[in-house]
Amino acid sequence: ELKVEQNPLFLSMQEGKNYTIYCNYSTTSDRLYWYRQDPGKSLESLFVLLSNGAVKQEGRLMASLDTKARLSTLHITAAVHDLSATYFCAGFLQGAQKLVFGQGTRLTINP
Amino acid sequence: DTGVSQDPRHKITKRGQNVTFRCDPISEHNRLYWYRQTLGQGPEFLTYFQNEAQLEKSRLLSDRFSAERPKGSFSTLEIQRTEQGDSAMYLCASSPRGSPQETQYFGPGTRLLVL
Repeated sequence: ELKVEQNPLFLSMQEGKNYTIYCNYSTTSDRLYWYRQDPGKSLESLFVLLSNGAVKQEGRLMASLDTKARLSTLHITAAVHDLSATYFCAGFLQGAQKLVFGQGTRLTINP
Repeated sequence: DTGVSQDPRHKITKRGQNVTFRCDPISEHNRLYWYRQTLGQGPEFLTYFQNEAQLEKSRLLSDRFSAERPKGSFSTLEIQRTEQGDSAMYLCASSPRGSPQETQYFGPGTRLLVL
């Protein structure tokens, strides 16, 4: 059974700093997704990582995937307040066509 | 607006009542999913449709839960004899078949409160 764990679960940081969110998964996952969720809102797709070594970047966010280590990272560069949200990673089970989500990382960026 | 839509957005009901939620996927997306999210947790998979066929169901989907997608377009999720533990956000998502990324696009959700 695929299990996904994120750390940290809570992260408070200052604007301008860099930080990384880690996502570990227990068994082979066909691909790895990152989503963003604002309070009371739905999930917004950020990245999908399809293969080992994949790296995707959008603005101040960069995601990478190491399938051998079963690890994905979401790196935040020079954080700004607008990036405050909860970030979820999710593995994907091809057969069941389902996403398996981590617990989420609640990110707060202070001015 | 061509995104996934859900109705209602909020529902308050008394324990024991039945509720039904509707999801309209992105046009031409033949795959549709239901997830449930409780406060402070990630979404949990409930069920998956490809066109009108329900191909996967989670064990979370007890006998009180039923989902349909009769014409392969919109879907409904019904909860019978609601319990307080059913209080959650119910999220619908859709994805196009054949896309290599198979990204699931989520709707705004229906927040259910069972009193």
